[in-house]
Amino acid sequence: DSGVTQTPKHLITATGQRVTLRCSPRSGDLSVYWYQQSLDQGLQFLIQYYNGEERAKGNILERFSAQQFPDLHSELNLSSLELGDSALYFCASSGLDRVGDTGELFFGEGSRLTVL
Amino acid sequence: DAKTTQPPSMDCAEGRAANLPCNHSTISGNEYVYWYRQIHSQGPQYIIHGLKNNETNEMASLIITEDRKSSTLILPHATLRDTAVYYCIVRVAYNTDKLIFGTGTRLQVFP
Repeated sequence: DSGVTQTPKHLITATGQRVTLRCSPRSGDLSVYWYQQSLDQGLQFLIQYYNGEERAKGNILERFSAQQFPDLHSELNLSSLELGDSALYFCASSGLDRVGDTGELFFGEGSRLTVL
Repeated sequence: DAKTTQPPSMDCAEGRAANLPCNHSTISGNEYVYWYRQIHSQGPQYIIHGLKNNETNEMASLIITEDRKSSTLILPHATLRDTAVYYCIVRVAYNTDKLIFGTGTRLQVFP
C-alpha cells in the first residue's frame, strides 16, 4: 500500500461528459502529480501541484484541469470527453519532510476511465 | 532529465537472477538513477535508487558503473510476481521534480 488513494477506481461515461478524479496523497506529502496511461502506451506526465500551487505542466489538454486543495488532496477534471481520453489516470505524491524521504514518487492504484 | 536506454523486453526463469541493464551516458553529476516497476495496470512502484555506489534493499540490488554511464538492476531470485515493466529514470534526488518515464523493459518471468 503506497498510502496514495484514488477514487473512483473505475468510471464509465459518454462522450461530451465531464468527470472528476480525486487523489488523496500520503499524509504530509506536499507534491501531487497526475499521469495518464492510454492502452499499451507509456506513462505521460500531465501536471504537478506543490502545496496548492501549480509546479509543472506536461502535455495536459486544455479540456483538462486540476487543482490541489488546502488539505492537500487533488482533483483532476476532464471535460468534453472524447473516446481517446479513455485511459488509466494515476496520481502520485512525494515529500521531503520525513526521515528517509528522498523525493521518490508514490503512486496510487489509478482510476480507469472508459469513454463510450 | 537525462535520457535512458533500456532493452524493450527480457525473459528470466523463475528462481534465477534477473539482470536489467540501463544506459544513461549523459547523466549529470547530481543525478541519481531510479528504478520503478509497473505490474500490469497497477500504479508504478518505487524499487531502488543510487548515485554512484552499489545499493541493495529488500527488493533488489543496483549496480552502477564507475563512470556512471550505465547501471544494472538485479532481482536476485525472480518470481512470477516480478513480471512487470521496469523503468530506469535519472533524476536529481532530494527534490520533488516530476518523473519522466521512458518505454522501460518488459520482464517476463517464466516457470
